[in-house]
Amino acid sequence: EPEVTQTPSHQVTQMGQEVILRCVPISNHLYFYWYRQILGQKVEFLVSFYNNEISEKSEIFDDQFSVERPDGSNFTLKIRSTKLEDSAMYFCASSEPRGFSYNEQFFGPGTRLTVL
Amino acid sequence: AQTVTQSQPEMSVQEAETVTLSCTYDTSESDYYLFWYKQPPSRQMILVIRQEAYKQQNATENRFSVNFQKAAKSFSLKISDSQLGDAAMYFCAYRNSITQGGSEKLVFGKGTKLTVNP
Repeated sequence: EPEVTQTPSHQVTQMGQEVILRCVPISNHLYFYWYRQILGQKVEFLVSFYNNEISEKSEIFDDQFSVERPDGSNFTLKIRSTKLEDSAMYFCASSEPRGFSYNEQFFGPGTRLTVL
Repeated sequence: AQTVTQSQPEMSVQEAETVTLSCTYDTSESDYYLFWYKQPPSRQMILVIRQEAYKQQNATENRFSVNFQKAAKSFSLKISDSQLGDAAMYFCAYRNSITQGGSEKLVFGKGTKLTVNP
């Protein structure tokens, strides 16, 4: 069964460093998402991406964040200058092309980001 | 903005018994979707069940069923014949209907940690 994959599973970085979190969505999916979950808190939407551009972003997704689909398979989240409060679990999700009244978002296993 | 509230931070159930997890939400939309996601210790979010707001019939998936009360904006999850493998965090989530041009994002509650006792 196709699944969303994410690498690395755990990333440790120093405050102020840049990190890139990688995701491989399900191959025929066209909508991509990033969510984050600070330890013990709820999952929060960061950004959605379609047709090589951001379709929606939350107030969390400030100028320190960017997303990219550099090739036909990867979807990345970059944090330019990490802060302590960026420590969280980051989930990638993907869904089928619009046109389906319901298109389930399939989640990856997450990347745990620890900022020291 | 839509909000989702889960008032039970933790619940426990005996194996083979039934447990109900509560969820309320707030929206001004008439067409939307509601979901329950399971997040086991492995951390991967798994969809358990979904409900379309325009459907009056409550969704059922094997041992999992929902009680959807649209007027009350309530969406509870019932797990019957609980198994040890059901132990996890359970998140209630909301999403607007895409066909009405709504946002695609999922709005999550804070979650309920379910413990299943042998």
